[in-house]
Amino acid sequence: AQSVTQLGSHVSVSEGALVLLRCNYSSSVPPYLFWYVQYPNQGLQLLLKYTTGATLVKGINGFEAEFKKSETSFHLTKPSAHMSDAAEYFCAVSSITGANSKLTFGKGITLSVRP
Amino acid sequence: DSGVTQTPKHLITATGQRVTLRCSPRSGDLSVYWYQQSLDQGLQFLIQYYNGEERAKGNILERFSAQQFPDLHSELNLSSLELGDSALYFCASSRHLYEQFFGPGTRLTVL
Repeated sequence: AQSVTQLGSHVSVSEGALVLLRCNYSSSVPPYLFWYVQYPNQGLQLLLKYTTGATLVKGINGFEAEFKKSETSFHLTKPSAHMSDAAEYFCAVSSITGANSKLTFGKGITLSVRP
Repeated sequence: DSGVTQTPKHLITATGQRVTLRCSPRSGDLSVYWYQQSLDQGLQFLIQYYNGEERAKGNILERFSAQQFPDLHSELNLSSLELGDSALYFCASSRHLYEQFFGPGTRLTVL
C-alpha cells in the first residue's frame, strides 16, 4: 500500500522568496515520486519526477526536489517565487508492478504568491 | 497541451441519469488511466487500461465502468448518478510506466 502526506493545505510566500512544499510518502516497494501542478480550471502538469539514480531532480519552471529515503520525503523547492507559480501542487507516488502504475496523490497544497 | 483530449469539457445532468466521458490518449500511448477529483476525496485513481485490457482497479464504484477500444480511446460510463458523483474526471495516458500525461478533465455536475 502507498500513501502521500502533504502537510498543510495552503502556503503563502512573497514574490522572490523561497518556496518549500513538503511531501512525505509511504511505500512498501521502492517508490517512483512525482510533483504535479494544477492551474485553475486546468489539468495536471508534470513538474518533475524521481525514478532511480540522482536523488536531486530538476524540473520545469525552476523547481527541484530531493528524494531522501531515510526521511521518506520528496520536498519541492524553488529558490525564488514568481507570481505565475500560484497554483495547486500535488505530490504523488507510484509503485510499478507489471504494467500497473497507478498514482496515489496527496491532498494537494495551494501556493499563493504575494506581490 | 499534453496531447490528451477529453470530451465533453462540462456535463450537467440529473440524479439517476447515465453519462459517458470520452478520452483520447496521446499518439502511441497504450495505457489510459481515469481519476476522479473531488473536494472531499481529493484525486483518486479509478481504473487503468493497457492496450484494451483492464490492468488495475482503484476506488471505482460498481455503478461506474470503463473500456478501451481498439483505437485506444477510452470511455468512462457513470450510471445511476448521485449528487456525490459531481467531480472533475481526469484521463491520463502513458507510454512509459512512470510518466502520465493528464487531459484537461471533464467537470460533471449532478443536480
